[in-house]
Amino acid sequence: DAGVTQSPTHLIKTRGQQVTLRCSPKSGHDTVSWYQQALGQGPQFIFQYYEEEERQRGNFPDRFSGHQFPNYSSELNVNALLLGDSALYLCASSFRNTIYFGEGSWLTVV
Amino acid sequence: AQSVAQPEDQVNVAEGNPLTVKCTYSVSGNPYLFWYVQYPNRGLQFLLKYITGDNLVKGSYGFEAEFNKSQTSFHLKKPSALVSDSALYFCAVRDGSARQLTFGSGTQLTVLP
Repeated sequence: DAGVTQSPTHLIKTRGQQVTLRCSPKSGHDTVSWYQQALGQGPQFIFQYYEEEERQRGNFPDRFSGHQFPNYSSELNVNALLLGDSALYLCASSFRNTIYFGEGSWLTVV
Repeated sequence: AQSVAQPEDQVNVAEGNPLTVKCTYSVSGNPYLFWYVQYPNRGLQFLLKYITGDNLVKGSYGFEAEFNKSQTSFHLKKPSALVSDSALYFCAVRDGSARQLTFGSGTQLTVLP
């Protein structure tokens, strides 16, 4: 049984560009959340998707957007990248209070 | 609002000794509590959770945690530490109605051989 899978694992972007990160949840999990983990900090909640709708959003600007597909997979999009967006982006899938994280996507903005 | 405090940035323990990583929390409703471990350049790995029931929760790799409602604490413990337990540990909380987990700042555990 595959766990939460994310792609790409590493990427480098230039300020002002746009990026799309992808996540496939653990089998049987219908809820996907995204977190940002800056270096030396704990993860911060970005938003959560359930039944293809954004169910809750953390304190992140509108530059951060997402989508969930009918197969429960999800994308995180970040527009107009800033240097401060450099971080590890973690996807989590959950089902009935069990929450599992993927290995993350390392984004470096230069 | 919900919050988590991990008062120790760094915990050092000798191999074979018991270890404790501390966590206190604040939520408005009933707490759902979690511990995760993160190895260098990796994602978060689930260790254990408390939702309801027994105050002592057993998890992966010999770890356990004790829920103390009066002290609003959820300390992570292991009877005998291994060098391979050296990693960054995160405590997280949400209340029953919240969607997101709120994480502590993490505690770096180093087990010395």
